[in-house]
Amino acid sequence: LAKTTQPISMDSYEGQEVNITCSHNNIATNDYITWYQQFPSQGPRFIIQGYKTKVTNEVASLFIPADRKSSTLSLPRVSLSDTAVYYCLVGDAGYSTLTFGKGTMLLVSP
Amino acid sequence: SAVISQKPSRDICQRGTSLTIQCQVDSQVTMMFWYRQQPGQSLTLIATANQGSEATYESGFVIDKFPISRPNLTFSTLTVSNMSPEDSSIYLCSVEDGGRSTEAFFGQGTRLTVV
Repeated sequence: LAKTTQPISMDSYEGQEVNITCSHNNIATNDYITWYQQFPSQGPRFIIQGYKTKVTNEVASLFIPADRKSSTLSLPRVSLSDTAVYYCLVGDAGYSTLTFGKGTMLLVSP
Repeated sequence: SAVISQKPSRDICQRGTSLTIQCQVDSQVTMMFWYRQQPGQSLTLIATANQGSEATYESGFVIDKFPISRPNLTFSTLTVSNMSPEDSSIYLCSVEDGGRSTEAFFGQGTRLTVV
């Protein structure tokens, strides 16, 4: 599985857009990019997954450049409840086990 | 999607004792996974549990310390044996989507404190 690098932490204020970038320089052709969110005292929760270009759902957008060596999770207009750890994972869509990196601790302040 | 229930949600145990954590899924799944999350750290896979076969353990984890049962397609248990304070962690059960995506579903976790 490709190794990922994310910022350790980020700070934001309510109502702002937050962009968290993940580097995955050795991503393989069959690899997908998946982001998870984890609140304290809870298990991780799937946010979004993509292969290339842009993916958007009701929660977030995922931007993937043409070389796929990085990806950016975009959270529009964050609220206090978006304070969590965000994990970027890269792997073949057929794989079963997940390798979690250190994640990015996002702190949203009033 | 899958709904996962873990029991207990938390426990405080004496060193040298064992604790069995239960994981119940609301649908049949082929593979179940057990993770450990030490305080302030990321998740580490302990083992993969398939119904009807021995669990597959990751490097650094052994069956004697973390025996796993998988009696059917909706249930699994993880036992933390002969506990020491270093075993204090959150233990999480997970199942995969089963489709082509890599969406996984996690239980709430079991917060274990060993004193």
